Amino acid sequence: SYELTQPPSASVSPGQTARITCSGDQLGDKHVCWYQQQPGLSPVLVIYYDNKRPSGIPERFSASNSGNTATLTINGTQAADEGDYYCQAWDSSIAVFGGGTKLTVL
Amino acid sequence: QVQLVQSGTEVKKPGASVKVSCKTSGYTFTDYYMHWVRQAPGQGLEWMGWINTNSGATHTAQKFQGRVTMTRDTSLNTAYMELSRLKSDDTAVYYCARDQHMITSGGVVGFDFWGRGTLVTVSS
Repeated sequence: SYELTQPPSASVSPGQTARITCSGDQLGDKHVCWYQQQPGLSPVLVIYYDNKRPSGIPERFSASNSGNTATLTINGTQAADEGDYYCQAWDSSIAVFGGGTKLTVL
Repeated sequence: QVQLVQSGTEVKKPGASVKVSCKTSGYTFTDYYMHWVRQAPGQGLEWMGWINTNSGATHTAQKFQGRVTMTRDTSLNTAYMELSRLKSDDTAVYYCARDQHMITSGGVVGFDFWGRGTLVTVSS
């Protein structure tokens, strides 16, 4: 079965750039979504179609997808961006999630 | 505004079944797929399947085939997910999540609106 791999954790200082990777076989051939989940809350879609932001998502969130790796970038990271981030793609009509990355802003 | 309101917490014994509801408002229910995603305590997200709310067709992850039944009631704008033969490792928060794409656009994309989740605890 298809797998997406994310680092379990990442840390960034406030105001700096955070990057979270998601790797999978030929991932660049698929469309990737990214979700933010804060403690006790439901996930929120922050990126779809590799690099599109839904309305209401700040411009500091961006993403790319090429080869075997998709990357979520948060510029000017704020304390409010702390949380778990999940990548997601479709493989043979099955939604696959990465294991999640816990982003700490310190 | 789009809202997905899920049913309340459930406690079930192993071997029992649970049915979770997801009542929607703020959009045309039959225009969008509805997905079900679960999250075990302290774990990541796991997709279970989707239902075409217009036709009623479903597609289920292989892991749950034979145990999950997804249905909908278009008169109530509500989707349902029933999980049978519960085991302790089915303990999780179960989310309904709307697909971003309209059904008529073809395909599924991602999940743009989520319910608040329903905690299902399976314990003897």
